[in-house]
Amino acid sequence: KQEVTQIPAALSVPEGENLVLNCSFTDSAIYNLQWFRQDPGKGLTSLLLIQSSQREQTSGRLNASLDKSSGRSTLYIAASQPGDSATYLCAATRREDYKLSFGAGTTVTVRA
Amino acid sequence: EAGVVQSPRYKIIEKKQPVAFWCNPISGHNTLYWYLQNLGQGPELLIRYENEEAVDDSQLPKDRFSAERLKGVDSTLKIQPAELGDSAVYLCASSWGSGATGELFFGEGSRLTVL
Repeated sequence: KQEVTQIPAALSVPEGENLVLNCSFTDSAIYNLQWFRQDPGKGLTSLLLIQSSQREQTSGRLNASLDKSSGRSTLYIAASQPGDSATYLCAATRREDYKLSFGAGTTVTVRA
Repeated sequence: EAGVVQSPRYKIIEKKQPVAFWCNPISGHNTLYWYLQNLGQGPELLIRYENEEAVDDSQLPKDRFSAERLKGVDSTLKIQPAELGDSAVYLCASSWGSGATGELFFGEGSRLTVL
């Protein structure tokens, strides 16, 4: 069974600081990894999807890296803004059975 | 383009009552998922459909939960009878492609409170 862990569970940073969010997974045989954003009381919004053959994916201020051998992915958010305050979840699709497993998320607060 | 639509957004019922949730996926997406999310946790898969076929329902509590996806488009998730522990957010998602390999798009969720 794929276990996905996100540490820390929460963090608070001042506006303008770069954010680094971590995601680790136990089974390195993944098909892809996705990062999502969830605002309170809302559904999940897809941010980035990294295929297993890729090392990183970028969209605007967001950059996600993938290191399958170590079972890790990192989401970088440059020059954080108060609007970036949300919970960020990662999810890995296991190649063996195509099951998608989510982490519990990291709740980010960006202080103005 | 319309996103994934779910209804109702909120539902409050007493235990042992039935409840149903409806989902309309993004047009053209053949794969549909129902997830359950408890507070402070990541979503957990209940069932995954590819077209009309339920290809993964191993986590669906079949004694009280049922789901259907008629004509491979809309889907309904039913709970009968509801228990206190069923209070959670029920999320529907859709994607293109087979397996859980495509980018997932989620609806706003249906928040269930069982009293």
